[in-house]
Amino acid sequence: EAQVTQNPRYLITVTGKKLTVTCSQNMNHEYMSWYRQDPGLGLRQIYYSMNVEVTDKGDVPEGYKVSRKEKRNFPLILESPSPNQTSLYFCASSLREAYGYTFGSGTRLTVV
Amino acid sequence: QKEVEQDPGPLSVPEGAIVSLNCTYSNSAFQYFMWYRQYSRKGPELLMYTYSSGNKEDGRFTAQVDKSSKYISLFIRDSQPSDSATYLCAMSVGNNNDMRFGAGTRLTVKP
Repeated sequence: EAQVTQNPRYLITVTGKKLTVTCSQNMNHEYMSWYRQDPGLGLRQIYYSMNVEVTDKGDVPEGYKVSRKEKRNFPLILESPSPNQTSLYFCASSLREAYGYTFGSGTRLTVV
Repeated sequence: QKEVEQDPGPLSVPEGAIVSLNCTYSNSAFQYFMWYRQYSRKGPELLMYTYSSGNKEDGRFTAQVDKSSKYISLFIRDSQPSDSATYLCAMSVGNNNDMRFGAGTRLTVKP
């Protein structure tokens, strides 16, 4: 089944404790993105990758890092999480630009 | 002013009703328009994809784009309880890093 897989689905952590959310897609898509979804604000792009080793900042990149060492994987790293990063996070992939994304099921992160 | 405006609802309709969901936008350079459906505790799912102006129909769903008015719509005919979800509009100039989403409209279809 073609899909984007994120882990974990739920995560509660403390301020300052480094964490990684994994994302993997099995569709051989070149384009991958991370979004956060907050009530009233919709989906906002955090980081974006056009291909292996090519990443770019989205609208809200502060406090986040990404890497794209393999085509299928695009992990999101929070080096020192803060409470304002409490949100619902989605990884997504796309066959080509502006084609529309396939989204993962989401990771609900709470930072206390 | 947000680049994409979408009425958050919530919108509640009886089964069988025609539903109209709408978004307005300010960037006249947008040329790719999408509608996503998001069920509770799930990721958004691409529902409709259109390029430039005009209509596109897929089963009970019709997407309309009016670039002159900077207005897009999604119509759902013969709505079903399974259509209950949040609907997100999205649009892009042509690059994956410039896609903009509306905040979503929550729809409930009552049996």
